[in-house]
Amino acid sequence: QQQVKQSPQSLIVQKGGISIINCAYENTAFDYFPWYQQFPGKGPALLIAIRPDVSEKKEGRFTISFNKSAKQFSLHIMDSQPGDSATYFCAASVLGYKLSFGAGTTVTVRA
Amino acid sequence: KAGVTQTPRYLIKTRGQQVTLSCSPISGHRSVSWYQQTPGQGLQFLFEYFSETQRNKGNFPGRFSGRQFSNSRSEMNVSTLELGDSALYLCASSLRQGNEKLFFGSGTQLSVL
Repeated sequence: QQQVKQSPQSLIVQKGGISIINCAYENTAFDYFPWYQQFPGKGPALLIAIRPDVSEKKEGRFTISFNKSAKQFSLHIMDSQPGDSATYFCAASVLGYKLSFGAGTTVTVRA
Repeated sequence: KAGVTQTPRYLIKTRGQQVTLSCSPISGHRSVSWYQQTPGQGLQFLFEYFSETQRNKGNFPGRFSGRQFSNSRSEMNVSTLELGDSALYLCASSLRQGNEKLFFGSGTQLSVL
């Protein structure tokens, strides 16, 4: 049973466009929400993370929006580049233990 | 600083055999977690080791086990392999138990025939 539901499964965006990936969770005990980026043949790499006391966090072209009341959070990739083509995973944990991952979203950026 | 190193990179086994995978964490990292990644189930937590003790365990059968050595290196073992154990096994290290910043290795791709 997936504790974190992620959508869409895949998306295609033009270079310079915005990619948006959404995640929803049920466990209100979750207090840490990271996003990981994975390239083929590599392990996931931490991209950006947020805690529930913050509604938005931005790092470069990547922004997390967090809605505590709706139990949803999303990743926005601004000015998408071909190098951003990868699989993105949202995740959640309690006190940093036992990360629960979403199913992943494959992002393809067309030049 | 070297990243998380997992060996071997690829492994082919047959049903019923057992397998041992190895993970060397980033220098100074004392916690090691293992995850299984499959196309159907995604990334699933197996277990976490800290100070040579298993601290957390996921919902996997007892055929999956692990250990951690005094130098923080870790091994995981899968006995009586089943076809469904075919997966990418990922090791992640962090500074300490429950530390949120995980650094993943590239994984060991296990194929069970």
